[in-house]
Amino acid sequence: SAVISQKPSRDICQRGTSLTIQCQVDSQVTMMFWYRQQPGQSLTLIATANQGSEATYESGFVIDKFPISRPNLTFSTLTVSNMSPEDSSIYLCSVELGPRTFFGQGTRLTVV
Amino acid sequence: GNSVTQMEGPVTLSEEAFLTINCTYTATGYPSLFWYVQYPGEGLQLLLKATKADDKGSNKGFEATYRKETTSFHLEKGSVQVSDSAVYFCALTRLTGGTGKLIFGQGTTLQVKP
Repeated sequence: SAVISQKPSRDICQRGTSLTIQCQVDSQVTMMFWYRQQPGQSLTLIATANQGSEATYESGFVIDKFPISRPNLTFSTLTVSNMSPEDSSIYLCSVELGPRTFFGQGTRLTVV
Repeated sequence: GNSVTQMEGPVTLSEEAFLTINCTYTATGYPSLFWYVQYPGEGLQLLLKATKADDKGSNKGFEATYRKETTSFHLEKGSVQVSDSAVYFCALTRLTGGTGKLIFGQGTTLQVKP
């Protein structure tokens, strides 16, 4: 199995600022994923982050708003840039390890 | 496109009651189907899965059968416990990119009362 540590677990941020969320895995993994869960809604995939290449973004998400880094096989960051209240969500990272997918506990972001 | 629809919650049951949470999907091809659970204060974790038609996934007393003819993957448990109180998500895989790219339903909150 994989243990995923996400930081911060929650934050309250001012609009117009940026927040970087960190995701650390205890195993080397090829594929890492970032999801968003808006209030009362389901999880939506933001992007896929592979080590050594640019992240692949899903429709409706762009690199300027959600830049992602993937410096090695155990770590990734997601930045939520120029935040607005609409960005208030839970952000989760997940990894694919063998036939299974594991999730972090999420970062609860509130933008005021 | 691919999508997952779950019954709306919250679902409130008494301990030892029978549970059904409905899940239907639309997809091209033959996706794998999953149920994930999120207990209060914890991360999302896999509950069970099925990878092909007529497969039955099971874990912790929960079961779900992959029904291709009705495009459904309903979650059932014969006797729920207070400790089953959580949010349950039905999900399917994208057709490309492995199991990590998941499409989720909106989640169903289950509350079990003693």
